[in-house]
Amino acid sequence: DIQMTQSPSSLSASVGDRVTITCRASQSINNYLNWYQLKSGTAPKLLLYAASSLQSGVPSRFSGSGSGTDFTLTISSLQPEDFATYYCQQSYSTPIIFGQGTRLQIK
Amino acid sequence: EVQLVESGGGLVQPGRSLRLSCATSGFTFDDYAMHWVRQGPGKGLEWVSGISWNSQSIGYADSVKGRFTISRDNAKNSLNLRMNSLRTEDTALYYCVKDRAIRRWLARGAFDYWGQGTLVTVSS
Repeated sequence: DIQMTQSPSSLSASVGDRVTITCRASQSINNYLNWYQLKSGTAPKLLLYAASSLQSGVPSRFSGSGSGTDFTLTISSLQPEDFATYYCQQSYSTPIIFGQGTRLQIK
Repeated sequence: EVQLVESGGGLVQPGRSLRLSCATSGFTFDDYAMHWVRQGPGKGLEWVSGISWNSQSIGYADSVKGRFTISRDNAKNSLNLRMNSLRTEDTALYYCVKDRAIRRWLARGAFDYWGQGTLVTVSS
């Protein structure tokens, strides 16, 4: 099975900050890497698919990059509604695996 | 509007069975793969199982293989998960999830719509 290592596990930042979260796959997954946002009490939300494609309705301050084994999610200027937990997910092959999550907190 | 509504969760003893269902609307159900994803208390997201648009491709997480069975009824626009031999570690909020890629096999897609989840608690 492909393993996904996400870092950091938690992060404190301020409104307006630029934030980067990384995700590493145990083997090449081409660009089959997706990012999700999870807020307490709500269903997860797809932010980016295929490493860098922005899902419809997601603000452009979210961006993704990478290919092969190393990927990043960047939020260019944090907004109050962005404080949440973020997960990467490999969809290259089954079993589909999520990273362990990054909790983004207000500093 | 895409809607995914899960049902069937509840409190069950270890070793017993439970059947989850997901009623869908707002999209052409038989064009898309569907999945179940769970989140245990204090834990992250875990993919449980998925089924292709035509039921020809089915996959399971190692943690549930041999105990859970996924199925779909394209005539009724519904997704099901039969869970046998339940364990305390199966306690979680179970989400019904739609894949965004049309007529794709299980992998190579992304999960664009999620239900609100149904809670399964396995405890004696």
